[in-house]
Amino acid sequence: GESVGLHLPTLSVQEGDNSIINCAYSNSASDYFIWYKQESGKGPQFIIDIRSNMDKRQGQRVTVLLNKTVKHLSLQIAATQPGDSAVYFCAENPNAGGTSYGKLTFGQGTILTVHP
Amino acid sequence: DGGITQSPKYLFRKEGQNVTLSCEQNLNHDAMYWYRQDPGQGLRLIYYSQIVNDFQKGDIAEGYSVSREKKESFPLTVTSAQKNPTAFYLCASSIRGRTYGYTFGSGTRLTVV
Repeated sequence: GESVGLHLPTLSVQEGDNSIINCAYSNSASDYFIWYKQESGKGPQFIIDIRSNMDKRQGQRVTVLLNKTVKHLSLQIAATQPGDSAVYFCAENPNAGGTSYGKLTFGQGTILTVHP
Repeated sequence: DGGITQSPKYLFRKEGQNVTLSCEQNLNHDAMYWYRQDPGQGLRLIYYSQIVNDFQKGDIAEGYSVSREKKESFPLTVTSAQKNPTAFYLCASSIRGRTYGYTFGSGTRLTVV
């Protein structure tokens, strides 16, 4: 079946660097994508989302880029801080319109480690 | 503050036992979901419910059961038929039929002893 996947399972950066976390998806019908941050032993927290009619969306220190041509999603974190260390998941809404009933498909996750 | 609460945080199950995980939300969300998370894997959907007294199987429903008698509550029972229940279980809620505004609980870690 179709699924969301991540290119890199781990990413280590120095404090202050910019981080880029990638995600590949295969369902061309997906119309909405979300990035979540999950700290150890906690539930995922919403970071940023993007709809398929957009290429880029910016938040506070984070940017999500969507390339529908190659079915690729990325999360950019500017000036990465030790508190950004966590597992980052991408998720997609696999069905356009109202038929998905809110079911998200999640990728495997990327572990981001930020070194002071 | 509005939120979604899971309990207990840690749960231990003996072989052959049924255990129930609690999930309560005060966000006035119609839809609620249960996901299972294993190390190195993404979240997999167990069951979901769009309205009270109605629920649907997700991708890995075998060995699990749910009920939705109240809008605020969506308990998950892990039955003895679930052969590999050790995992981190996450409950979520959202506005019915929508994926934005998706809110997760803090999870329950279930271990078979």
